[in-house]
Amino acid sequence: AQKITQTQPGMFVQEKEAVTLDCTYDTSDPSYGLFWYKQPSSGEMIFLIYQGSYDQQNATEGRYSLNFQKARKSANLVISASQLGDSAMYFCAMREGRNTGGFKTIFGAGTRLFVKA
Amino acid sequence: DADVTQTPRNRITKTGKRIMLECSQTKGHDRMYWYRQDPGLGLRLIYYSFDVKDINKGEISDGYSVSRQAQAKFSLSLESAIPNQTALYFCATSDPADSQETQYFGPGTRLLVL
Repeated sequence: AQKITQTQPGMFVQEKEAVTLDCTYDTSDPSYGLFWYKQPSSGEMIFLIYQGSYDQQNATEGRYSLNFQKARKSANLVISASQLGDSAMYFCAMREGRNTGGFKTIFGAGTRLFVKA
Repeated sequence: DADVTQTPRNRITKTGKRIMLECSQTKGHDRMYWYRQDPGLGLRLIYYSFDVKDINKGEISDGYSVSRQAQAKFSLSLESAIPNQTALYFCATSDPADSQETQYFGPGTRLLVL
C-alpha cells in the first residue's frame, strides 16, 4: 500500500507567488515524523523542514511552512514568495517506528516545481 | 567540506561487473543508509546500518551487499551489475540522539550499467 502520496507530478507557479505541494500519508504508528526535501537539477537532496506527529504547531523554516492536518493525514509544503531557484523536485517523506525499533523512512514519488519568471 | 561524501560521483560499467560505491561521513552519526532513486519512484531503501555491527536489509536489497567498515564508512556493492540497476544512488546518515532524526544525504552517485 502506498504510504506517502504526492498527487502532483508537476506544478507551475509564478515568481513571487505562493505554492502548495500536496502530501498525504498513511500510518498506524502514533509516533512519526514528516520531512520535505528539495532536489535541484544538480541532484543533491536538501532537507527543508520537519514536522513531528506530536507537534502542536505547524513547522516553519524561512519561506517554507508545513500545513499539518493530522486528522486528514496530510502534510502539505507551502513555499511563499517563490523564487526561480525554487524550481526543483520536492519529496515528502515519513519516518515511522522510531519508538518501536521498527524504523522505516518512506519517500513519496515527488513533485516537480517550475517557477516562471 | 561536505559532511557526507560519495565516490565515485558517476560510473559507467558493464553487465556482470562487480562495482563498489563508497560513502564517508564526518558528521559523527551512527546510522547510515543506502537508497536508490529511479524516475517516478522516489527513493527506495536498499540497506541501512544502525552501528558498525548492525546491518539491515531495506526494501530492495536483492542484488546488493554492504559493508560498514567503520562508523564513518558504509560501502554498497553490486556483485554482478545488471542494466536495471542503472539509477542514482544516495548515501545518508542520521543521529538517533536527534529528536527529529533528520537524514542528511550525500551528493549521489549516478550509475549506468550497459
